[in-house]
Amino acid sequence: DGGITQSPKYLFRKEGQNVTLSCEQNLNHDAMYWYRQDPGQGLRLIYYSQIVNDFQKGDIAEGYSVSREKKESFPLTVTSAQKNPTAFYLCASSTQGQAPSFYGYTFGSGTRLTVV
Amino acid sequence: AQSVTQLGSHVSVSEGALVLLRCNYSSSVPPYLFWYVQYPNQGLQLLLKYTSAATLVKGINGFEAEFKKSETSFHLTKPSAHMSDAAEYFCAVGKFGNEKLTFGTGTRLTIIP
Repeated sequence: DGGITQSPKYLFRKEGQNVTLSCEQNLNHDAMYWYRQDPGQGLRLIYYSQIVNDFQKGDIAEGYSVSREKKESFPLTVTSAQKNPTAFYLCASSTQGQAPSFYGYTFGSGTRLTVV
Repeated sequence: AQSVTQLGSHVSVSEGALVLLRCNYSSSVPPYLFWYVQYPNQGLQLLLKYTSAATLVKGINGFEAEFKKSETSFHLTKPSAHMSDAAEYFCAVGKFGNEKLTFGTGTRLTIIP
């Protein structure tokens, strides 16, 4: 079955460490997105990519980095510059063209990152 | 710019009672509207979507929503709540040509036995 796989499900980071969250999809979707979720704040967009080797900053990109070397993969690195990284991270994908907003997103099951 | 407002961050209903979760949108052009559900420690799952066809949209798990242009609303309803409906619900808005959806802040639904 097609879908999005996020790994790991739980991740613990020490102060000053960089960590990378994995997101892989086999839906043949062009667009991919990373969101951060904190209690009571809904979903906040970190980065998104509409095509391989291209990506754009979202609303809260500081302290994060991404790459899009393959259509299927869109890993997110949480750097030591992100001062409050403890959150639930969601990856999503969508068809491209002019209508990703028409079809909506498919979400992964999330990664919970905790600073220890 | 498009935006969406979900009224009530927490809603509690008794099992068997009507579920009503409110969503109002702002969009300069005809919108596409979505409801997603999120169970604890899981991703979001699409419940239903409006894309300018029928104004009353039926989704999974007995949920439905009605697009009301005059009220700029897209409220989610279910006639009879079940314990398994306890989750967080997100409304989202998009428009043709826009590569991103805009999400509301979510409503946590609690079902009282």
